[in-house]
Amino acid sequence: KAGVTQTPRYLIKTRGQQVTLSCSPISGHRSVSWYQQTPGQGLQFLFEYFSETQRNKGNFPGRFSGRQFSNSRSEMNVSTLELGDSALYLCASSNLTGELFFGEGSRLTVL
Amino acid sequence: AQSVTQPDIHITVSEGASLELRCNYSYGATPYLFWYVQSPGQGLQLLLKYFSGDTLVQGIKGFEAEFKRSQSSFNLRKPSVHWSDAAEYFCAVGASGGSYIPTFGRGTSLIVHP
Repeated sequence: KAGVTQTPRYLIKTRGQQVTLSCSPISGHRSVSWYQQTPGQGLQFLFEYFSETQRNKGNFPGRFSGRQFSNSRSEMNVSTLELGDSALYLCASSNLTGELFFGEGSRLTVL
Repeated sequence: AQSVTQPDIHITVSEGASLELRCNYSYGATPYLFWYVQSPGQGLQLLLKYFSGDTLVQGIKGFEAEFKRSQSSFNLRKPSVHWSDAAEYFCAVGASGGSYIPTFGRGTSLIVHP
């Protein structure tokens, strides 16, 4: 069974640009969550999607958004990038047992 | 709201020595508890989980954890550490029932000396 796939793995952007990250969950998993990981703040929850609906949202500004498609694949978008958005963005899928299956992450660097 | 405290930012052990990583949680009801491990440049992998039942939980890679309700703790243990265990370890607590988005601790970095 294929794991959670995140693309791209690495990307470099400049301030003010926007970025879109993609996540393909494990087949059959309908819940997809996104986390931001930084050395200073640790793992912070961004949002969770289930059956194309945002079900939970963390405490991030509106520049951070996401969506989920009918095949459960998810994307997150960050607009008007700031230096502080540099982080590892992790996607996790779940079959609602409470266990999260993480991808390897997308490493975003904002210059 | 639930919260998790991992009091140790870094732990250094010698290869072959025993290991205990501490985790304390705050949650009003019976929690779901997890330990995840993250190797450099990788995502998180589940080591073990506690939902209910036996309070001593066995996981992968020879790890175990014990749920102690009276102490609100879920410490991770391993009797003999291998150099490949060097990684970041995260404890997480989730709400039992309903939306279960877990809250993660800040992590403990494990350094293994040969």
